[in-house]
Amino acid sequence: EVQLVESGGGLVQPGGSLRLSCAASGFTFSSYEMNWVRQAPGKGLEWVSYTSSSGNTIYYADSVKGRFTISRDNAKNSLYLQMNSLRAEDTAVYYCARETSITFGGGPYYYYMDVWGKGTTVTVSS
Amino acid sequence: SSELTQDPAVSVALGQTVRITCQGDSLRSYYASWYQQKPGQAPVLVIYGKNNRPSGIPDRFSGSSSGNTASLTITGAQAEDEADYYCNSRDSSGNPWVFGGGTKLTVL
Repeated sequence: EVQLVESGGGLVQPGGSLRLSCAASGFTFSSYEMNWVRQAPGKGLEWVSYTSSSGNTIYYADSVKGRFTISRDNAKNSLYLQMNSLRAEDTAVYYCARETSITFGGGPYYYYMDVWGKGTTVTVSS
Repeated sequence: SSELTQDPAVSVALGQTVRITCQGDSLRSYYASWYQQKPGQAPVLVIYGKNNRPSGIPDRFSGSSSGNTASLTITGAQAEDEADYYCNSRDSSGNPWVFGGGTKLTVL
């Protein structure tokens, strides 16, 4: 079964740090680009960070740039998000999501997030 | 970065057809994907690409696109379709991804 399982969430004080993990199973993790997406309480989905399959290409949303670091260990089938200098506005459920891109008959590429974990909750509060 | 705009809320009578739309410049370059999210659950992909459904998604869900607008149509809405729906697409102006703000669908 294709599965993503996040862990590492919890309660942290403003300015603190947390490291989230996402364990992948049921597919060849090293072949897929991966993302972190978060959802603040009562709000919509917000893309946070992206890593290529090799980890050589990385992007961050402006809201977390300079504070969060995405990484992956393909040997351990795991994705990580190191979160430093946490703020109250970082309070959210954090999801890891697998990204797939395909083309039919040489046409345009379709990009989508086809597998999601159940999420891990991060609360930043004093 | 780009933005994707969705109506915050839409309602539909049981068994009727509803269209949820998503507008943004990135949709001129990339197809939208659509996700269903029920309370307390993770998002689930329901439509990707031109009009493709993952395995297990009922065929009452369909997608279309024209210009800078993508649409998710539910033909014969069921009570279990009541959920939040989000579009996303590749972002043509810097970041890899952009999400719409979400549409809360109420089935009456």
